[in-house]
Amino acid sequence: QQQVKQSPQSLIVQKGGISIINCAYENTAFDYFPWYQQFPGKGPALLIAIRPDVSEKKEGRFTISFNKSAKQFSLHIMDSQPGDSATYFCAAKAAGNKLTFGGGTRVLVKP
Amino acid sequence: DAGITQSPRHKVTETGTPVTLRCHQTENHRYMYWYRQDPGHGLRLIHYSYGVKDTDKGEVSDGYSVSRSKTEDFLLTLESATSSQTSVYFCAISDPGVLQAKNIQYFGAGTRLSVL
Repeated sequence: QQQVKQSPQSLIVQKGGISIINCAYENTAFDYFPWYQQFPGKGPALLIAIRPDVSEKKEGRFTISFNKSAKQFSLHIMDSQPGDSATYFCAAKAAGNKLTFGGGTRVLVKP
Repeated sequence: DAGITQSPRHKVTETGTPVTLRCHQTENHRYMYWYRQDPGHGLRLIHYSYGVKDTDKGEVSDGYSVSRSKTEDFLLTLESATSSQTSVYFCAISDPGVLQAKNIQYFGAGTRLSVL
């Protein structure tokens, strides 16, 4: 039972383009929605996060859009750069500080 | 990697042998977690701990046990390793008492385990 579904599994974008990754969740008790970025051979690292009472959060070239009624949220990477090539995971937090992760999206930014 | 050390970083073992992975933190964070990462599944929680000697099961706990006798150390044991436990294992820490970072989990660099 996958409580957080993430799509697409992989994404290729040209340098300067926009990368969009989507996630959908089922559990309405989730109260915090982070995105993690992972480079090969490294552990995931927090990129940006949002609470369900906010519809959008922007940090530099990274934006989360959140739709509470649809139980969906997405990550937009504007002006994508080769250094953004990584695997991105959405997640949702429930009680006890436990995270449920999506399946991951491998992003490749071509120069 | 936020003061988190996982050991070993790589291990190859045989089916049926016991394996223990160690996570050591220097951040004095109260919560510690063990995840496994497999293609298409993201990271799945195996066990977590919310204090010394306080542990609980995650969504994929079968075949795994944990122990936490000190704040800084969280051990994951595979009692009798199986090929299905071949994976990359990540330890994470968090502390809900840290106001600006109460929801953030910090991850170690991972342990790649192969069970032959």
